[in-house]
Amino acid sequence: EAGVTQFPSHSVIEKGQTVTLRCDPISGHDNLYWYRRVMGKEIKFLLHFVKESKQDESGMPNNRFLAERTGGTYSTLKVQPAELEDSGVYFCASSPLGQGIRNTEAFFGQGTRLTVV
Amino acid sequence: AQTVTQSQPEMSVQEAETVTLSCTYDTSESNYYLFWYKQPPSRQMILVIRQEAYKQQNATENRFSVNFQKAAKSFSLKISDSQLGDTAMYFCAFMKQGSSNTGKLIFGQGTTLQVKP
Repeated sequence: EAGVTQFPSHSVIEKGQTVTLRCDPISGHDNLYWYRRVMGKEIKFLLHFVKESKQDESGMPNNRFLAERTGGTYSTLKVQPAELEDSGVYFCASSPLGQGIRNTEAFFGQGTRLTVV
Repeated sequence: AQTVTQSQPEMSVQEAETVTLSCTYDTSESNYYLFWYKQPPSRQMILVIRQEAYKQQNATENRFSVNFQKAAKSFSLKISDSQLGDTAMYFCAFMKQGSSNTGKLIFGQGTTLQVKP
């Protein structure tokens, strides 16, 4: 079974440009999360989808970030226009729906390293 | 708001020895989960071990065990018989439990562990 895949793995863009990150969750996982780690700091939650609906977007830093999950499958995270402080590693994770400890494990992708210059 | 603190940015251990990684957290919640995730170099983050807060018994997974002190809000990870493959960054994480649980993880800053031959 394929794990969570993210691409690109690396992206270097200039300030002011647009970048779109993509995440393909594990098939059947209705929960999809985006996280970000800015250099040297902790991993921070950005938002959570349940299927195609945004369940919690409290971590989105500002309106330059737009996340979508059309059809409840893959998700995209667009940054437009990118700023220097957006540099970092963006992680996607997925998990199945349901309460209980069995469904608490998040399966992570390898991350996209974004560098804004 | 919940916070997770890992006070050891870097640690090293000799192969076959035991090492303990520290984690403290702050929360007013009664029911929650705690996790240790591991991110090997250039690979995705994977779950090492998890603990339900209402369970007094410490979780164990093969060579990995935790020391969960709920009153002290401490959740340390012990790795016994360290192996070269344990070299990774380790993240402690918190998740609320219950109907309002979105599965959102709150991470610590991470501890880089180097296992030396």
